[in-house]
Amino acid sequence: QAGLTQPPSVSKGLRQTATLTCTGSSNDVGYQGAAWLQQHQGHPPKLLSYRNNNRPSGISDRFSASRSRNTASLTITGLQPEDEADYYCSAWDSSFGGWVFGGGTKLTVL
Amino acid sequence: EVQLVESGGGLVQPGGSLRLSCAASGFTFSNYWMTWVRQAPGKGLEWVADIKDDGSGEFYVDSVKGRFTISRDNAKNSLYLQMNSLRAEDTAVYYCASLHLTWGQGTLVTVSS
Repeated sequence: QAGLTQPPSVSKGLRQTATLTCTGSSNDVGYQGAAWLQQHQGHPPKLLSYRNNNRPSGISDRFSASRSRNTASLTITGLQPEDEADYYCSAWDSSFGGWVFGGGTKLTVL
Repeated sequence: EVQLVESGGGLVQPGGSLRLSCAASGFTFSNYWMTWVRQAPGKGLEWVADIKDDGSGEFYVDSVKGRFTISRDNAKNSLYLQMNSLRAEDTAVYYCASLHLTWGQGTLVTVSS
């Protein structure tokens, strides 16, 4: 039940674009795609997208997700101070029948 | 409004038991698989268990198999997690979620003597 791989931290300037990555395998990210979550300190995770780029209602279109083979990406355009948070990816792992998560990326907006 | 509200967390001694509950509203609960995810203090997210929409199948992470039981009552729009033989390493915030829909606010479970 190995996890997905995310860079521990990313730093970008205000109004810039950040791209966060999530690497898995053909059994998870490559199988049905990934979901992305945003978590501010002391708050529960918030779903940003699922199955690569389906956004729940109310999620800004500044957040867009994509996938290339076994790597999922989350692109955040026009970075705002409130985008500073931890971002997690998750995917269903068909090899053992459960969910796997990435270790999370801490996004800092300079 | 789509909402999940957990309850039942608290302080328990090693070897003890707790039952977490999650009340769902704002969506057709019986149409969705449901999930428990936990987050140890200062750590990342860890999947704990899943249950099919009709309750006919359950799936667990290896570390809780044989100790935790996930269940649901679709008539009451409720999800449960029975946790037995609790260990210090089970200390975490436990979230109820429909992973492609919404997450609850979490309930803290602390296992300590």
